[in-house]
Amino acid sequence: DTGVSQDPRHKITKRGQNVTFRCDPISEHNRLYWYRQTLGQGPEFLTYFQNEAQLEKSRLLSDRFSAERPKGSFSTLEIQRTEQGDSAMYLCASSLGKRSEAFFGQGTRLTVV
Amino acid sequence: GESVGLHLPTLSVQEGDNSIINCAYSNSASDYFIWYKQESGKGPQFIIDIRSNMDKRQGQRVTVLLNKTVKHLSLQIAATQPGDSAVYFCAENEGIFGNEKLTFGTGTRLTIIP
Repeated sequence: DTGVSQDPRHKITKRGQNVTFRCDPISEHNRLYWYRQTLGQGPEFLTYFQNEAQLEKSRLLSDRFSAERPKGSFSTLEIQRTEQGDSAMYLCASSLGKRSEAFFGQGTRLTVV
Repeated sequence: GESVGLHLPTLSVQEGDNSIINCAYSNSASDYFIWYKQESGKGPQFIIDIRSNMDKRQGQRVTVLLNKTVKHLSLQIAATQPGDSAVYFCAENEGIFGNEKLTFGTGTRLTIIP
C-alpha cells in the first residue's frame, strides 16, 4: 500500500493519559499535515510540516499537543494529559507541494474516557 | 471569519440519476479548491480539484464548476451508483501568498437510493 498510513486506527485512553499517533506519508511527499475531525464536521487544520520543519500551527493546537517529523519522513502527534474534548478522529495528509492534491490517511480515532 | 459552507446538509438521489452538491465559500483570496469524499470510518478521499483560473474541470463521472463571481463551487456526479453514497466536503486554499492549510466545510451527506 503506497498511500498515507496511520497507526493506530483506534485508541481508547483514560483522561489524563498521554497518547502518541504515527503517520507515514506517501514517500516522495515533502508536505505533511495533521487535521482533527469531530463527528458531523469537516476536518480542522492542526499543523503542517515541509520536510522536517513545522511551518504552521493552528490556534487549536494547545500546548498539550506536540508534533514532530524528525527526518522529514514519518510524523508523530502527541497529546499530553488528554481531556474528553480531545476525542476525535485525527487525520494525517501528505502532498507534493502547495496547492496540490493532499492525500489523507484512514485516521486515528481517539476516545478519551 | 472566513469560512467554507454548504447549502444542503443531505441529498438523496435515485441510482442512475445525476447529483449536484453545492458549496459556498467566503474567502476571496482562495484560489484552489478540492472536493473530497468520505465514507464512514475512513479518511477523506480526493475526488477532483480546480484552480481559480478555471471555471470547469471534468473527471471520470464528476465535474466541478467554479463561479468566482458569487464564490460558489459545485460537484456534479453523473449516473450515480450506490458506491457514491458518502459525505462530500469542499475545501479551499488561499492563494500563493496564503497559508498551506485547507479549510473544509461541514459536508453534504449523499444517499443513493437503489
